[in-house]
Amino acid sequence: QITLKESGPTLVKPTQTLTLTCTFSGFSLSTSGVGVGWIRQPPGKALEWLALIYWSDEKHHSPSLRSRLSITKDTSRNQVVLTMTNMDPADTATYYCAHRLRDTGGWHPLDYWGQGILVTVSS
Amino acid sequence: DIVMTQSPDSLAVSLGERATINCKSSQSVLYSSNNKNYLAWYQQKPGQPPKLLIQWASTRESGVPDRFSGSGSGTDFTLTISSLQAEDVAVYYCHQYYGSFITFGQGTRLEIK
Repeated sequence: QITLKESGPTLVKPTQTLTLTCTFSGFSLSTSGVGVGWIRQPPGKALEWLALIYWSDEKHHSPSLRSRLSITKDTSRNQVVLTMTNMDPADTATYYCAHRLRDTGGWHPLDYWGQGILVTVSS
Repeated sequence: DIVMTQSPDSLAVSLGERATINCKSSQSVLYSSNNKNYLAWYQQKPGQPPKLLIQWASTRESGVPDRFSGSGSGTDFTLTISSLQAEDVAVYYCHQYYGSFITFGQGTRLEIK
């Protein structure tokens, strides 16, 4: 059974750096084809993809946020960490992590999602 | 980036009636390497993460009721709920997932008329 859970601060001040951790079970990020992504959703708004990391340590970031984002993995601890610098009130959102797979059939969509963590940016 | 545009933004349908949500991509998500459309549909209820309903434009996930169906190819796609049930009230998102620069539509809010 695949599960993911986001953790981190729920309140950050403007200009601070946000660090979120995704702790997962039921799969390994050392298995070929496996990936974990981060997605956010401002209150009442749409989903926005942020970053992806794969078993190979290949990383991809949203072009619009690339300069502020960093994604890393700790395979032994089954964790993926997202860092976002220079936080702004506009970054207030629920942040989700999710599982993804690539196999011989091609890429698959994000299939298993965590419950999300609401991060508020306010002084 | 591939831009995904859904229509309508909101929709009210009577119980038992058909609901149709459209999604258009700014470029084709049909890839000749495997002749598959990299298009998925999600359902999101308040306070919950998105739930994957359909991938490859028309393949329902295990456990998804067969009243949900997906169709389309290339740049134009449709999610149809054949007979709306009360538990289908949610926001629905389309999502293109070819490669790693993935994008979502803006969402369609589905309500009971």
